[in-house]
Amino acid sequence: GESVGLHLPTLSVQEGDNSIINCAYSNSASDYFIWYKQESGKGPQFIIDIRSNMDKRQGQRVTVLLNKTVKHLSLQIAATQPGDSAVYFCAENTNYGGSQGNLIFGKGTKLSVKP
Amino acid sequence: NAGVTQTPKFQVLKTGQSMTLQCAQDMNHNSMYWYRQDPGMGLRLIYYSASEGTTDKGEVPNGYNVSRLNKREFSLRLESAAPSQTSVYFCASSEPTGRTEAFFGQGTRLTVV
Repeated sequence: GESVGLHLPTLSVQEGDNSIINCAYSNSASDYFIWYKQESGKGPQFIIDIRSNMDKRQGQRVTVLLNKTVKHLSLQIAATQPGDSAVYFCAENTNYGGSQGNLIFGKGTKLSVKP
Repeated sequence: NAGVTQTPKFQVLKTGQSMTLQCAQDMNHNSMYWYRQDPGMGLRLIYYSASEGTTDKGEVPNGYNVSRLNKREFSLRLESAAPSQTSVYFCASSEPTGRTEAFFGQGTRLTVV
C-alpha cells in the first residue's frame, strides 16, 4: 500500500490472482478520488474514480472502495494480467487557497505481475 | 486528438540556466496544472491555473513561474535552474471543478547538472 517513506512500496502478484492496492488519504474534506496507472516513461492514466457519497464503484476488472471513517481508499484488480504491471497512484481532490480543483497524489505503489 | 502535449521530452541544463517547458491541450479544458515527479515519489503540484488569466501556487512553487498564455497553453519557467529541480515534469488539464479526471501529458525529463 501507500507509504510516506522514500521507497516505493511494491506489490508482487501472480498472473490471474487478484490485486489489492491501498491508499491512505490526508484530508477528511476531500470529496473526490481517482486511481491512476503510470507505466514506465509515460504520464498517469485514469483508471477509475469515486465520489465521497459512495463507498464502492466498479469498472472493468477494477473496483474502488472508499472508507471515509478511516480515510482509506483501495483499488482491487481482478484476474491481474502482465499488462497491469505499473505504478498506481491514488489522488484526492482537495483545496489550495480556497480554490477547488486540485488533485493531491499519494506516493504510489508498484505492481509487478509474475507470469 | 492529441490530448495534452508537452515539449521538450528531454532537457539537460547547467545550473543557473533558464528554460521554459511548454504545454498545450486540445480538450477545451479550463483548468491546467504543472506537477513534478521525483524518483519513488508521487506527483507534487507546482502551479495550477483554474481558468485563462489566473494562476495559483501549489505545494512546491519555489523556483518556478508560470504563464497561462491562452486557454490551450500553460507554460512553466525555471529562471535559474538548480540541481534540486532535476525531475520529471507533467502537465495536466481538467474541467474546473476538479471532480473529473485530469488528463496528463507524457512528461518532460529535466536534468540540471
